[in-house]
Amino acid sequence: GAVVSQHPSRVICKSGTSVKIECRSLDFQATTMFWYRQFPKKSLMLMATSNEGSKATYEQGVEKDKFLINHASLTLSTLTVTSAHPEDSSFYICSARGDRDTDTQYFGPGTRLTVL
Amino acid sequence: AQSVTQPDIHITVSEGASLELRCNYSYGATPYLFWYVQSPGQGLQLLLKYFSGDTLVQGIKGFEAEFKRSQSSFNLRKPSVHWSDAAEYFCAVTDSWGKFQFGAGTQVVVTP
Repeated sequence: GAVVSQHPSRVICKSGTSVKIECRSLDFQATTMFWYRQFPKKSLMLMATSNEGSKATYEQGVEKDKFLINHASLTLSTLTVTSAHPEDSSFYICSARGDRDTDTQYFGPGTRLTVL
Repeated sequence: AQSVTQPDIHITVSEGASLELRCNYSYGATPYLFWYVQSPGQGLQLLLKYFSGDTLVQGIKGFEAEFKRSQSSFNLRKPSVHWSDAAEYFCAVTDSWGKFQFGAGTQVVVTP
């Protein structure tokens, strides 16, 4: 149980385009989802917290207009990187917290974004 | 604000030897503590967690961790490592809002 998927696993895009990453909880309802960014050989940096049906809460320094987060259902959250630039290249990981095991986050496998 | 420190950036251990990864936390209340493992290019897998009760916690893959309040530590141990244990290990603490604070991670290399 508590499986989280992400799609795509890898994406390469041209500078200036937008990329959408999906995060799904497969066998539980995720009332809260989190989006992290991980730089090479670094820890995870929390970007934003999203609760189903409400606006995401962004961490300080994260541009909300650049990283659009939508949590439209209890099993799906999306992160859209708008007008991507090479400095946005990174490993993006989502996690989900369920309605029963509310103290634990379950992580997706991550999405490697490369912006050319 | 809570914080997590993993003093060892990199550890090399021989296959079959014991492993201990250190984690120290700073948190005002009783912390919720976690250990996650990340293989290259993958997401994080939960190894074990501590909320309350018995201070020695058993996890998956033969790992255990001990919560020591007096030392503000939550060290991860495994008696005998396998080559498949080579990975990055993260300690994390969560606050009352469920927001995680991760340590910097410890890279474990297993030699034959």
